[in-house]
Amino acid sequence: EVQLVESGGGLVQPGRSLRLSCTASGFTFGDYAMSWVRQAPGKGLEWVGFIRSKAYGGTTEYAASVKGRFTISRDDSKSIAYLQMNSLKTEDTAVYYCTGAAAPLYYFDYWGQGTLVTVSS
Amino acid sequence: EIVMTQSPATLSVSPGERATLSCRASQSVSSNLAWYQQKPGQAPRLLIYGASTRATGIPARFSGSGSGTEFTLTISSLQSEDFAVYYCQQYNNWPPSLTFGGGTKVEIK
Repeated sequence: EVQLVESGGGLVQPGRSLRLSCTASGFTFGDYAMSWVRQAPGKGLEWVGFIRSKAYGGTTEYAASVKGRFTISRDDSKSIAYLQMNSLKTEDTAVYYCTGAAAPLYYFDYWGQGTLVTVSS
Repeated sequence: EIVMTQSPATLSVSPGERATLSCRASQSVSSNLAWYQQKPGQAPRLLIYGASTRATGIPARFSGSGSGTEFTLTISSLQSEDFAVYYCQQYNNWPPSLTFGGGTKVEIK
């Protein structure tokens, strides 16, 4: 059974940092691009960014709204993806979902249950 | 950046009836279009990819069609478990962005 389990969410003040983790099981993690998608309270889905598999260079792409502030990385030996969020803003408040996509077609096969990040003073 | 527009925002349908949801892209995305279903308090679930291919385990009452800029998700006979929000997503023209539509809520009439 495929599982993606996010952790690390919580309440953080504006301007501070937070790191989310996504632990995967049930599929060949190293073969998948890992992505983060967020959903602000009562709103729709917003793609945040992703990291390609090593076979596709392991490079990253980010949405304009987070570029320069957020960094995605991966540890294939542990089947974990990370989202490092710096300089957080109140508008970053959302449920953050970890997703898996089989390159080179980047739709999201697998989803975690999400972790809530609240940015507030 | 490609903008995905879904309509209607809310669709009221009786159980057993057909539901037709639309998704329009601001420029061609070929057939690189996916549909997701999200129920309250749950993560989205992949329904359709490649505009018309059902994901594993998705019932045959869900079907997708279209290419280029106009796409449709049809639920042939709505079941109680189908009342949810549906999102389309393009994965053709990127970087810079993978983009979702704003969603269509299918509610009980």
